[in-house]
Amino acid sequence: VLTQSPGTLSLSPGEGATLSCRASQNVSSSYLAWYQQKPGQAPRLLIYGASNRATGIPERFSGGGSGTDFTLTISRLEPEDFAVYYCQQFGGSPPFTFGQGTHLEIK
Amino acid sequence: QLQLRESGPGLVRPSETLSLTCTVSGGPISTSSYYWGWIRQPPGKGLEWIGSVYYSGNSDYNPSLNTRVTISIDTSKNQFYLKLKSLTAADTAAYYCVRQRWFGILKHYFDYWGQGTQVTVSS
Repeated sequence: VLTQSPGTLSLSPGEGATLSCRASQNVSSSYLAWYQQKPGQAPRLLIYGASNRATGIPERFSGGGSGTDFTLTISRLEPEDFAVYYCQQFGGSPPFTFGQGTHLEIK
Repeated sequence: QLQLRESGPGLVRPSETLSLTCTVSGGPISTSSYYWGWIRQPPGKGLEWIGSVYYSGNSDYNPSLNTRVTISIDTSKNQFYLKLKSLTAADTAAYYCVRQRWFGILKHYFDYWGQGTQVTVSS
């Protein structure tokens, strides 16, 4: 099980954001990913392998962590960054699971 | 640029079978580095992996849906398919087809998504 916190994060553009994803069992860093989803759109891959930015993802997005604790950091929020963020792991049963999401909203 | 596009009915009756098609363009589906899968999202809720298929036809399913789901692939058409039977209102969701990285040290993530298709189960 992946548990994301906080459920909702209210921040202003220009501020930094730290989103947390905690696993109930150890997760290989190679198999931890983050996605961004905007209303009415499909999710978009941001980070794979816990810390590797996907193609075209701005440098202000970074991922880290290991074991059971992982983070997604957005260094300076842009207006287009306000969205829902999901972490995802591979391993266990079912093999793919997602966290419940963190809603990043404009304060 | 790789593109995935879902197609299928938007409304299905309870107890019937949902059939969706994902058409892949901009690249071959018969590649050894990727699986092709389906993920769904009920209205206002999170993401659930349904299952994935390899170009050889090998498939894996979410145990919670295993008895009701079949995912198949047609490399000659560059398409893969989802069949979900015995539908109930709980199957109402947006259904996404995805490409799943399978090969390499860093893997098991979904790097390309279709735009999604909304399926409502209702009489």
